[in-house]
Amino acid sequence: EPEVTQTPSHQVTQMGQEVILRCVPISNHLYFYWYRQILGQKVEFLVSFYNNEISEKSEIFDDQFSVERPDGSNFTLKIRSTKLEDSAMYFCASIRDRGGSPGELFFGEGSRLTVL
Amino acid sequence: KQEVTQIPAALSVPEGENLVLNCSFTDSAIYNLQWFRQDPGKGLTSLLLIQSSQREQTSGRLNASLDKSSGRSTLYIAASQPGDSATYLCAVGSSGSRLTFGEGTQLTVNP
Repeated sequence: EPEVTQTPSHQVTQMGQEVILRCVPISNHLYFYWYRQILGQKVEFLVSFYNNEISEKSEIFDDQFSVERPDGSNFTLKIRSTKLEDSAMYFCASIRDRGGSPGELFFGEGSRLTVL
Repeated sequence: KQEVTQIPAALSVPEGENLVLNCSFTDSAIYNLQWFRQDPGKGLTSLLLIQSSQREQTSGRLNASLDKSSGRSTLYIAASQPGDSATYLCAVGSSGSRLTFGEGTQLTVNP
């Protein structure tokens, strides 16, 4: 069964360092998302991406964050200068289409980011 | 702004019991509602997706209902098993397929 894969599963970094989290969405999916979950809190939307551009972003997704689809398979989230409060589980998700009846959103296993 | 609330926050039941998890949302202008399961430290596994035009969906021992006008959904789990122990998340899909999540119900099924 096709699945969304994420790397790394866990990354530890020092405050102020740049981090890149990688995702390989399901191959025939067209819309890509990043969500995050701070320990003990709700899963929160960060950004959605379609046709090589951001289609929607939340107030969390500030200038420290960026997303990119550098090739036909990978979808990355970059945090330019990490802060302690960026420590969270980051989930990538994808969906085939979001027409009149949007389909099921599929999530990866997540990348746990720990900022020291 | 859409707000999603799940009740109860935690539930502990003996094996074999039928149970209901509740989800409510504030804005009825939704595209769909999705129920997920999350095991500790793991990702989100989709259980059921209900489109806004549907009233319920079933998969095995799981049944989810949707009452859009009242802003409610329930997840019914029949004949619960210890392997059902997990956190169950309700997520509402609004414009752009952005999902708004509830805080989850942590379910423990005791053998």
